[in-house]
Amino acid sequence: GIQVEQSPPDLILQEGANSTLRCNFSDSVNNLQWFHQNPWGQLINLFYIPSGTKQNGRLSATTVATERYSLLYISSSQTTDSGVYFCAVERRKAGNTPLVFGKGTRLSVIA
Amino acid sequence: DGGITQSPKYLFRKEGQNVTLSCEQNLNHDAMYWYRQDPGQGLRLIYYSQIVNDFQKGDIAEGYSVSREKKESFPLTVTSAQKNPTAFYLCASTGRGSSYEQYFGPGTRLTVT
Repeated sequence: GIQVEQSPPDLILQEGANSTLRCNFSDSVNNLQWFHQNPWGQLINLFYIPSGTKQNGRLSATTVATERYSLLYISSSQTTDSGVYFCAVERRKAGNTPLVFGKGTRLSVIA
Repeated sequence: DGGITQSPKYLFRKEGQNVTLSCEQNLNHDAMYWYRQDPGQGLRLIYYSQIVNDFQKGDIAEGYSVSREKKESFPLTVTSAQKNPTAFYLCASTGRGSSYEQYFGPGTRLTVT
């Protein structure tokens, strides 16, 4: 099956710093999403981005589907950005099939 | 407001008892999913359903059962056959259309002693 690898596994930042999280996947995908899991366990959708670039405030994401990777950029980090960031891709191109999740990047932003 | 609800938020059970976790969505989504998350780990798929009255096993279905009698509801039963049931359980759903964004409920933390 498709493999999803995220790096780095852990990241500690000073408030105000920028960071880049990476997601590599082993096969072509029809669906790629980035999620943020807050300290209470809730997963929040950040981006649906099977290809191209999107921006939402201080966050942006780029997926280069032909090279099988996606990047999540966090600028001017805040303590509320802390948590775990997951990348997930769809197993097949049929749609509505289960996502395969990476192991996540745990981000800690220190004031 | 549309969304996914899971209840209860915390659940405690004795070993050997079956327990059912609730998941309801009012997003009119066709597909629903159950994931398990252990501390410091990613999400693993237990079961999923793409349509009412149909469901498929995921990667770790042993010791779990589900039903999908209504589009809005996808309850998960953790049976006594599940060897390590203590975990955080997350329910999710996706709709049809030009994108298949997956949305998650708030989760249920199950502790079995």
